[in-house]
Amino acid sequence: LAKTTQPISMDSYEGQEVNITCSHNNIATNDYITWYQQFPSQGPRFIIQGYKTKVTNEVASLFIPADRKSSTLSLPRVSLSDTAVYYCLVGSQQTGANNLFFGTGTRLTVIP
Amino acid sequence: KAGVTQTPRYLIKTRGQQVTLSCSPISGHRSVSWYQQTPGQGLQFLFEYFSETQRNKGNFPGRFSGRQFSNSRSEMNVSTLELGDSALYLCASSLADGGLFSYNSPLHFGNGTRLTVT
Repeated sequence: LAKTTQPISMDSYEGQEVNITCSHNNIATNDYITWYQQFPSQGPRFIIQGYKTKVTNEVASLFIPADRKSSTLSLPRVSLSDTAVYYCLVGSQQTGANNLFFGTGTRLTVIP
Repeated sequence: KAGVTQTPRYLIKTRGQQVTLSCSPISGHRSVSWYQQTPGQGLQFLFEYFSETQRNKGNFPGRFSGRQFSNSRSEMNVSTLELGDSALYLCASSLADGGLFSYNSPLHFGNGTRLTVT
């Protein structure tokens, strides 16, 4: 089971870079890592996805070390609107229903 | 492109009743999956439909069922409602032709239906 472990909560000041780490010790060879952001009373929103090394898009970067047992979502210069819950999800086409695990996510609070 | 649409947005039901929730996926998406989100259990997978067939199923009792129509729209039904069924029910769609978790086919979620059972 590619279950994930994330910190329950984090606080950051506006304008700082935030790094949220997800542990996935049992990640399988075919698995890739996907991060979602969720605001209260809304559905999760896709942020970024990667398999290894580094992936960057217009909102975030994803760092994955060579052993792939963890990944770090990096949010540059956060603003108050980045206050949300962030979920790390690990899986592949072979992932069955029982292995689809969102976990509790990381609640990020951005402080003015 | 229009996003995933879920109706109704809010629903209040009484114990023992049944409820039907609706989900319209993004145009072209054939995979629709359903999730239950509660403060205590987090986000849990219910089931997934692809081309009108249930392809994956989570660990929920048979009171929870669903179906998908030929236009990919999906409905979820909960019978004999219990107080513990109070939750935010989320629907997601994706291209995911090869499986629930296809690369470059992330899940696109709707904003959910908030169900309260009294």
